[in-house]
Amino acid sequence: NAGVTQTPKFQVLKTGQSMTLQCAQDMNHNSMYWYRQDPGMGLRLIYYSASEGTTDKGEVPNGYNVSRLNKREFSLRLESAAPSQTSVYFCASSPGLQRTDTQYFGPGTRLTVL
Amino acid sequence: AQSVTQLDSQVPVFEEAPVELRCNYSSSVSVYLFWYVQYPNQGLQLLLKYLSGSTLVKGINGFEAEFNKSQTSFHLRKPSVHISDTAEYFCAVTLITGGGNKLTFGTGTQLKVEL
Repeated sequence: NAGVTQTPKFQVLKTGQSMTLQCAQDMNHNSMYWYRQDPGMGLRLIYYSASEGTTDKGEVPNGYNVSRLNKREFSLRLESAAPSQTSVYFCASSPGLQRTDTQYFGPGTRLTVL
Repeated sequence: AQSVTQLDSQVPVFEEAPVELRCNYSSSVSVYLFWYVQYPNQGLQLLLKYLSGSTLVKGINGFEAEFNKSQTSFHLRKPSVHISDTAEYFCAVTLITGGGNKLTFGTGTQLKVEL
């Protein structure tokens, strides 16, 4: 039982390049999330998916797109990377959207945009 | 909108000493409260959460937190820390009604345990 896995672990991009961050969970959770973590700012929600086939914007969605490929997988795409998107990206999942549900986090992807 | 304040960005403490990490929140409605821990180069994991009932909540690794509604606080405590407790600690809240399961995180407190 691997929990939440993310690939890649590290990535360096040039401004304007695109890439997709992959996330998968094996806990049969319905809901999945993408966060970014910046120094002194905690974690901020980018997008979330309440269930397979649905996605919604979070606090900081600009410059990102997401795809809930199936129940297990939730990807985050940067179409044209900018230096402001340099951050650590975390994927998380929870059984559902109940406010009492615990969110389980992956190990993160450290992205640098030059 | 809700917000979370962790006033201490860093807390150094000697091994076996007690520690308190402070968390205050602001919300116009009732909230659920969480503490997450992030060990170096890892994702976050849940330490404990307050949903209802007893205001003293016990979590993993000997940590506990006390919910104080009048002071809108949820401070995290451990009576005797170990080197392995060195990590970043995040307080988070979610509204009891409205807004979905969206966690609002504080900016984190780096706990550094020294010998």
